[in-house]
Amino acid sequence: GESVGLHLPTLSVQEGDNSIINCAYSNSASDYFIWYKQESGKGPQFIIDIRSNMDKRQGQRVTVLLNKTVKHLSLQIAATQPGDSAVYFCAETPDTGRRALTFGSGTRLQVQP
Amino acid sequence: DARVTQTPRHKVTEMGQEVTMRCQPILGHNTVFWYRQTMMQGLELLAYFRNRAPLDDSGMPKDRFSAEMPDATLATLKIQPSEPRDSAVYFCASGLVLGKATYEQYFGPGTRLTVT
Repeated sequence: GESVGLHLPTLSVQEGDNSIINCAYSNSASDYFIWYKQESGKGPQFIIDIRSNMDKRQGQRVTVLLNKTVKHLSLQIAATQPGDSAVYFCAETPDTGRRALTFGSGTRLQVQP
Repeated sequence: DARVTQTPRHKVTEMGQEVTMRCQPILGHNTVFWYRQTMMQGLELLAYFRNRAPLDDSGMPKDRFSAEMPDATLATLKIQPSEPRDSAVYFCASGLVLGKATYEQYFGPGTRLTVT
């Protein structure tokens, strides 16, 4: 079936640098996308979302970019901090009224002090 | 600070035993999701309820798993009989979905199940 996947399983960055986490999705009907952060021993935590009628959305230190042409999603974290170390998942749901999410496999972000 | 609660947080049981996991969604949310997370499979959707009615349970092994919402404040996921391959972290999430608008899902802390 269609799925959401990630290019890089682990990303290591220096504290203060910007981080970019990428995600590819295969369902062209995907309408809504979310990035989640999961710290060890905890449930996923919402970071930022974006609908398919947008190509960019900014939050506090985070930006999500959506390229529907190539079905690619990215999460940019500015001035990465040690507290950003976690596994990041992208997730998508199609515009069919079914609002359950399909999750990617996750990228581990390691921030070096 | 509203949050999703799950009980128990940890459960160790022997193969063949019944396991019941409980979830209290955030008050006012109309959707509840059950996910399973393993190292091999990642996060998988098991079941999805809206307004307490099951909308999708295609990800759930029907012969041994069952999910219910006896009322708006309680969702349950039951495994009977349990098997070692059921060992995983089970997450409940709730959200508010109105028409085409979509809102983020809020996850509980999870139940870590170990079946020996």
